[in-house]
Amino acid sequence: EADIYQTPRYLVIGTGKKITLECSQTMGHDKMYWYQQDPGMELHLIHYSYGVNSTEKGDLSSESTVSRIRTEHFPLTLESARPSHTSQYLCASSEGRDSPSTLHFGNGTRLTVT
Amino acid sequence: KNQVEQSPQSLIILEGKNCTLQCNYTVSPFSNLRWYKQDTGRGPVSLTIMTFSENTKSNGRYTATLDADTKQSSLHITASQLSDSASYICVVSDRGSTLGRLYFGRGTQLTVWP
Repeated sequence: EADIYQTPRYLVIGTGKKITLECSQTMGHDKMYWYQQDPGMELHLIHYSYGVNSTEKGDLSSESTVSRIRTEHFPLTLESARPSHTSQYLCASSEGRDSPSTLHFGNGTRLTVT
Repeated sequence: KNQVEQSPQSLIILEGKNCTLQCNYTVSPFSNLRWYKQDTGRGPVSLTIMTFSENTKSNGRYTATLDADTKQSSLHITASQLSDSASYICVVSDRGSTLGRLYFGRGTQLTVWP
């Protein structure tokens, strides 16, 4: 399995709270991604990064923000959580100059906003 | 519109039996197709990758096929085991941009009963 880690695994918070979902990888991959996954639905890309100080919004409109200060670290922040943010969040990374290459996923953070 | 459709949505089989999962896509221009396995509570893990010129590729008891003309792929699982219970996700990449874009299917939920 890939060396990509997400914390926390589960999080239950109240509306309006600020939260940060952590994602770290030890493979030295330049590319990192955040996906949102709801039951029975396809994964939706919400943010991606091609390297340090590079971040882009994905296809799914999101009120979250990301940062990429170090190659191995790609945290996602919600400034004010809402019940509509309840979902599974998956972090992934990939290597190589040529794209697209295989994604290596973390085990996800299941977020519940009450 | 680029899409990936998987069937069936869910499938229940008995341990030891074979099964075939289907993936139809309309993604163009096509780059490659991957099958991922996602166990409950875990992130997806890559099983196979198929490029335009490949018709069949095996990974243990998993065999993927690709018909680029009809834009169809299948994943055949032989002699199923309880550990095969998971969601199987088809992901198609295009060549429309330098870095490629990924199109995800909604997955087939496979349950293997003893």
